[in-house]
Amino acid sequence: DVKVTQSSRYLVKRTGEKVFLECVQDMDHENMFWYRQDPGLGLRLIYFSYDVKMKEKGDIPEGYSVSREKKERFSLILESASTNQTSMYLCASSSPQGTDYLATNEKLFFGSGTQLSVL
Amino acid sequence: QQQVKQSPQSLIVQKGGISIINCAYENTAFDYFPWYQQFPGKGPALLIAIRPDVSEKKEGRFTISFNKSAKQFSLHIMDSQPGDSATYFCAAHRVDFNKFYFGSGTKLNVKP
Repeated sequence: DVKVTQSSRYLVKRTGEKVFLECVQDMDHENMFWYRQDPGLGLRLIYFSYDVKMKEKGDIPEGYSVSREKKERFSLILESASTNQTSMYLCASSSPQGTDYLATNEKLFFGSGTQLSVL
Repeated sequence: QQQVKQSPQSLIVQKGGISIINCAYENTAFDYFPWYQQFPGKGPALLIAIRPDVSEKKEGRFTISFNKSAKQFSLHIMDSQPGDSATYFCAAHRVDFNKFYFGSGTKLNVKP
């Protein structure tokens, strides 16, 4: 069974702290994504990565950075946490390979999320 | 600016009824339209998806209706069950950016 694992289910941090959210996938997927989920706003893309050491800004990258040193691991970093970064953070992965591209190329596999509260 | 607009925000349906969730988009570069289902405490999971060259896709009790000219698509859940209670997200995919744009979500509550 495919798995995307996020290191923490709940996290409470103070304003100004540096925060690391970790995500690991065991499917050998090339693509990895970080979304945040807020009520009424749906899922918004923060950053994504197509390969090791590669990263691209999503729609709301301000205040965040990412790191992908290994294929299976994608980290989201809040350089200086602020209260408006209180949210549910979801990691996802996908793979562009495979003959049935509808099932593999464009299917996102999500982790269970990390609920981050910044006080 | 939301690329995909979803309605309603919440929906209450009696068991056995039909649940309908609607989405609309503007960008004609989208090539793939999935629906994701999210249960409390879990990440979203792909439920059903459609390409713009077909007008309908059915999988069990779940059907996507797609209207390319109107740039609208909808999810129909027939014979809704309490186990269908979840949040549903529509999405649209741009193959050139390999990015998904999600709707704002619909919280469905199916009452026994």
